[in-house]
Amino acid sequence: RKEVEQDPGPFNVPEGATVAFNCTYSNSASQSFFWYRQDCRKEPKLLMSVYSSGNEDGRFTAQLNRASQYISLLIRDSKLSDSATYLCAVNRGRQAGTALIFGKGTTLSVSS
Amino acid sequence: GAGVSQSPSNKVTEKGKDVELRCDPISGHTALYWYRQSLGQGLEFLIYFQGNSAPDKSGLPSDRFSAERTGGSVSTLTIQRTQQEDSAVYLCASTGYSGRLGYGYTFGSGTRLTVV
Repeated sequence: RKEVEQDPGPFNVPEGATVAFNCTYSNSASQSFFWYRQDCRKEPKLLMSVYSSGNEDGRFTAQLNRASQYISLLIRDSKLSDSATYLCAVNRGRQAGTALIFGKGTTLSVSS
Repeated sequence: GAGVSQSPSNKVTEKGKDVELRCDPISGHTALYWYRQSLGQGLEFLIYFQGNSAPDKSGLPSDRFSAERTGGSVSTLTIQRTQQEDSAVYLCASTGYSGRLGYGYTFGSGTRLTVV
């Protein structure tokens, strides 16, 4: 099993749709979880951390399921500007500052 | 500075030459990471520096790759005797606590290395 796995997509959705991505991880000791957004030929940018209790930032909701070892990202009311690749990242060890392992990303395309 | 700065932004080199890539992290960030991303691929972890601790070099793909961090700030990634498979975007990131964002990374814009 790969350390971090994502469905590559692409997910093609109309504006206003709700879309969800999942990401599974293999290291049960991982403590830090993140979602990043990467636009074409740009560097990844931090979208949000994923806390045990789940967290919400506007139209974006992230959740963690430790028992099943996956994290999810829900995007409501999709906008054209949400089109990007979404990367999940999980740290390698127990300490929050240890290196992150990234999934290969899920591509989202929002159309009008 | 305001962000993570990497130089050069683009580098074309001949196979067999050595290259040096530079990263200047966000001031005050103690942790610095190097990753590379090949076309259509995910981010591959290379090396991690945390303060004065020994670096985590577990991601370096071969002994042609090395990195150092001087004075706890600027880092240089060196690739010796470059090969075509080294062609990729090399990304540097630094870490600092940013409130609710936790220990999320801030990435630089990367160095696009092309080995011809």
